[in-house]
Amino acid sequence: GNSVTQMEGPVTLSEEAFLTINCTYTATGYPSLFWYVQYPGEGLQLLLKATKADDKGSNKGFEATYRKETTSFHLEKGSVQVSDSAVYFCALGPRAGGTSYGKLTFGQGTILTVHP
Amino acid sequence: DADVTQTPRNRITKTGKRIMLECSQTKGHDRMYWYRQDPGLGLRLIYYSFDVKDINKGEISDGYSVSRQAQAKFSLSLESAIPNQTALYFCATSGQYSPYEQYFGPGTRLTVT
Repeated sequence: GNSVTQMEGPVTLSEEAFLTINCTYTATGYPSLFWYVQYPGEGLQLLLKATKADDKGSNKGFEATYRKETTSFHLEKGSVQVSDSAVYFCALGPRAGGTSYGKLTFGQGTILTVHP
Repeated sequence: DADVTQTPRNRITKTGKRIMLECSQTKGHDRMYWYRQDPGLGLRLIYYSFDVKDINKGEISDGYSVSRQAQAKFSLSLESAIPNQTALYFCATSGQYSPYEQYFGPGTRLTVT
């Protein structure tokens, strides 16, 4: 079945540090890949996405590249801010045609705390 | 106003009680979902509905039931609550052509004592 594995957290950084949160996946075929973010006390919101191999999703200074050869979709940001403190979820969505189409599979989430 | 609302936001209940969590959306989406979030486990899908007449079990549906009262409303019930159902519950919606771009409500924190 489909699965998503994220790096163990929590991650604690100082402001302006470089961020990487690792994500690898297992899936049949070529799923779409997503990063969702959950700010304190809120629901999840879509941060970025990539729908095919070598696509780079980007938003709010965050980036992630769909790497088919390593089945990875690592999240990066060059300079984090205190306001980036949140929980980050990697997720995959199967392509159309299978019984799992339309259902997201989430990783376990990585807590990021950024200190001034 | 928020696109996806959930009521109640917090609830404490006792073992064996029946409880209903409600979700409403103003996005005009056909698809709605219920997830639970537990620390270290991410989000797990409980039930999902692709339209008013289509309701499906997710990966952890045992002990839960749902009702899709209208396109905009999707309720989750715990028929007889147990302590291991203590969790944060999220409702989400998406459109038919972008099923993975989901819009989440603020969550309901449920504690079963």
